[in-house]
Amino acid sequence: DTGVSQDPRHKITKRGQNVTFRCDPISEHNRLYWYRQTLGQGPEFLTYFQNEAQLEKSRLLSDRFSAERPKGSFSTLEIQRTEQGDSAMYLCASSQDRVAGYTFGSGTRLTVV
Amino acid sequence: AQSVTQLGSHVSVSEGALVLLRCNYSSSVPPYLFWYVQYPNQGLQLLLKYTSAATLVKGINGFEAEFKKSETSFHLTKPSAHMSDAAEYFCAVRWAGANNLFFGTGTRLTVIP
Repeated sequence: DTGVSQDPRHKITKRGQNVTFRCDPISEHNRLYWYRQTLGQGPEFLTYFQNEAQLEKSRLLSDRFSAERPKGSFSTLEIQRTEQGDSAMYLCASSQDRVAGYTFGSGTRLTVV
Repeated sequence: AQSVTQLGSHVSVSEGALVLLRCNYSSSVPPYLFWYVQYPNQGLQLLLKYTSAATLVKGINGFEAEFKKSETSFHLTKPSAHMSDAAEYFCAVRWAGANNLFFGTGTRLTVIP
């Protein structure tokens, strides 16, 4: 297993465009998390999946954000009508259970110009 | 409100000196506690975790942390700093009943040769 993979590593987009990020978790991990990290800050929780079910969403996840995990394996995070404030590192993580720590991917850095 | 506080956004130590990074949490119920390290343009890597077993937890790269319930602290230490330890360190908490981790704002460690 190669760990958690995220694609793309970097994305530059114009304001108003839609973007989609992909996360492939560790195969035996049924829990998947999306976080956002801005410069100089710790990661902020966005949403959580257990298998294919999205069980929790943060207030940070506005209506422009949507996440899916259709078959309980990979996940996608889509941002519609991007704004400059969406510029951040988007991190995906997976875990085996509630007690285990997360394994993070390398993140997708989004720049909205 | 529950919170996790990392005292000192920047810490500088000389190579070979003791590393001490502070983390305090606010909760009457001891949560699960984690320390993560982040190198530039990378995701976060788990250093160690406390899950109500031994109060002194040993992690990777020579780091350890001690859970002190009376002080609501989980400080990270390493006896002798190495140049490769220069990175951002995040304390994280999983509150009782929560599914996700809540991260502190991080401490940037600089190691002076």
